[in-house]
Amino acid sequence: GIQVEQSPPDLILQEGANSTLRCNFSDSVNNLQWFHQNPWGQLINLFYIPSGTKQNGRLSATTVATERYSLLYISSSQTTDSGVYFCAVRMNTGFQKLVFGTGTRLLVSP
Amino acid sequence: ETGVTQSPTHLIKTRGQQVTLRCSSQSGHNTVSWYQQALGQGPQFIFQYYREEENGRGNFPPRFSGLQFPNYSSELNVNALELDDSALYLCASSLGFHTGELFFGEGSRLTVL
Repeated sequence: GIQVEQSPPDLILQEGANSTLRCNFSDSVNNLQWFHQNPWGQLINLFYIPSGTKQNGRLSATTVATERYSLLYISSSQTTDSGVYFCAVRMNTGFQKLVFGTGTRLLVSP
Repeated sequence: ETGVTQSPTHLIKTRGQQVTLRCSSQSGHNTVSWYQQALGQGPQFIFQYYREEENGRGNFPPRFSGLQFPNYSSELNVNALELDDSALYLCASSLGFHTGELFFGEGSRLTVL
């Protein structure tokens, strides 16, 4: 099956710093989503980005589908950005199976 | 617009028991899927329901079963609970059978003793 790898696995930042999270996937996909999982477990949608670039406030994402990777940029990080960031992809299987990456655990300290 | 809601939020069961988890999809969404997230791991796809039928399944045994109702809400049933079933169970809804963005509920945290 498709493999989804995220890097780095862990990241510690000072408040105000910028960071880039990477997601590599091993096969063609027709959906890619980035999520932030808060300490209570809820997956919060950040981006639905099968290709191209999107921005939402301090966050932006770029997916290069032909090269099978996606990047999530966090600028001017805040303590509330702490948590686990997941990339998830869907192949053209005909149903809504998302395959999640291994996650990046981010800790932003004041 | 109402988001995806799940109940109960937490529950404790013992080995061999059965559990039912419930999910109400986001307003207008007709497809529901369920995921299991063990501690420290990413969510794993269990199955998907569309038009009240299961139409996609991950690598989970038959004791994991589900239902979808005419109002698109859904249930996940797990029989003969095992210790390894302890996990966060997440429900997701989407508009469409195989396209579009998925939105997740807050999850039901199951502990099996």
